[in-house]
Amino acid sequence: EDQVTQSPEALRLQEGESSSLNCSYTVSGLRGLFWYRQDPGKGPEFLFTLYSAGEEKEKERLKATLTKKESFLHITAPKPEDSATYLCAVQGNSGGYQKVTFGTGTKLQVIP
Amino acid sequence: DAEITQSPRHKITETGRQVTLACHQTWNHNNMFWYRQDLGHGLRLIHYSYGVQDTNKGEVSDGYSVSRSNTEDLPLTLESAASSQTSVYFCASSGQEGTDTQYFGPGTRLTVL
Repeated sequence: EDQVTQSPEALRLQEGESSSLNCSYTVSGLRGLFWYRQDPGKGPEFLFTLYSAGEEKEKERLKATLTKKESFLHITAPKPEDSATYLCAVQGNSGGYQKVTFGTGTKLQVIP
Repeated sequence: DAEITQSPRHKITETGRQVTLACHQTWNHNNMFWYRQDLGHGLRLIHYSYGVQDTNKGEVSDGYSVSRSNTEDLPLTLESAASSQTSVYFCASSGQEGTDTQYFGPGTRLTVL
């Protein structure tokens, strides 16, 4: 069974204080690892898809990296508007079934 | 711009009533999904569809049903609402089989009293 564990559950940073969010996963044949941002009362907003170990993707202050067992979302010099819950999800090879398994998220608060 | 919408955004109903939540996407995506999100759980898949007339059960499908009569819509029906179905429901869509990004709607907050 595919599993996704995110840590920490919550993270409080000062504006400008860089840090990383962790996503550990087990999956039978990784087809893709996804990062989403979710603001309160809204649906998840797509950030990145990573397909293979060693791959990296960047968007503004966010950088996602992938190894065979985990992914990191690095946040450089965060701003208050980066405050949100960040969700990690994996899609494995399950006989064509497009099942995506989500973690419970890391709630990030960036203080001015 | 293409989008995915859900209605209503908030719904309060009573135990035993039938409830239908609407999902409409203009991405022209073949694949559509319904999830529920509860504290302490990740998003959990209820039902999914790969195209018109195709529907499949997800991991928490008991008490829910869907139908797909066109590409754009996948309504979710709670046959007889229960308090355990109080949750936030999200619809998502993606373009093709295989590894493909799912795009989410804004959600419907359902309360069953």
